[in-house]
Amino acid sequence: KNEVEQSPQNLTAQEGEFITINCSYSVGISALHWLQQHPGGGIVSLFMLSSGKKKHGRLIATINIQEKHSSLHITASHPRDSAVYICAARERDSNYQLIWGAGTKLIIKP
Amino acid sequence: DGGITQSPKYLFRKEGQNVTLSCEQNLNHDAMYWYRQDPGQGLRLIYYSQIVNDFQKGDIAEGYSVSREKKESFPLTVTSAQKNPTAFYLCASRFRGRQPQHFGDGTRLSIL
Repeated sequence: KNEVEQSPQNLTAQEGEFITINCSYSVGISALHWLQQHPGGGIVSLFMLSSGKKKHGRLIATINIQEKHSSLHITASHPRDSAVYICAARERDSNYQLIWGAGTKLIIKP
Repeated sequence: DGGITQSPKYLFRKEGQNVTLSCEQNLNHDAMYWYRQDPGQGLRLIYYSQIVNDFQKGDIAEGYSVSREKKESFPLTVTSAQKNPTAFYLCASRFRGRQPQHFGDGTRLSIL
């Protein structure tokens, strides 16, 4: 069993829909990262969370430390949001190494 | 503009050959990382370096080698001992402390 699991693996939605991607982890963490990988392969860091909620534009990330669960939400989704979204957990006392989820491939249709 | 440059974007290798992937950063970051990404899998750590002239093996270091002679540069050599080298390779760097990693655009390596 992977220590960081994402769901769903693939998600296709219509433009404007509210999107939720989930991430569950089984280890103690000091932070959780959400990243976006573009079709060309480049990765951009979206959020780094250790508690609560963060918002940037149409993106919202939440984390529940007790339940070991995080979600990434996209409001008013747009075709340019199409990408692979990856969560990665920074394990506590791990010298800042990350445990990576397999990613969620999101396609937003116009 | 500051960033991480990986080159080349696409690389082809004949079986039995060593090949070196370049990673350069001008962000003044202390730590650098090499990851391998295969379809449907999470990133896997190959090697990482926290400071110049020092590096540690990650989860899948066999068949790979690195050097960190300069703060800006962390080249990865895929040796002939790596039995399945076809993959997408990502380089990342991070400033000290609790800063997130920054990524290059990756190099896609294929075996001819």
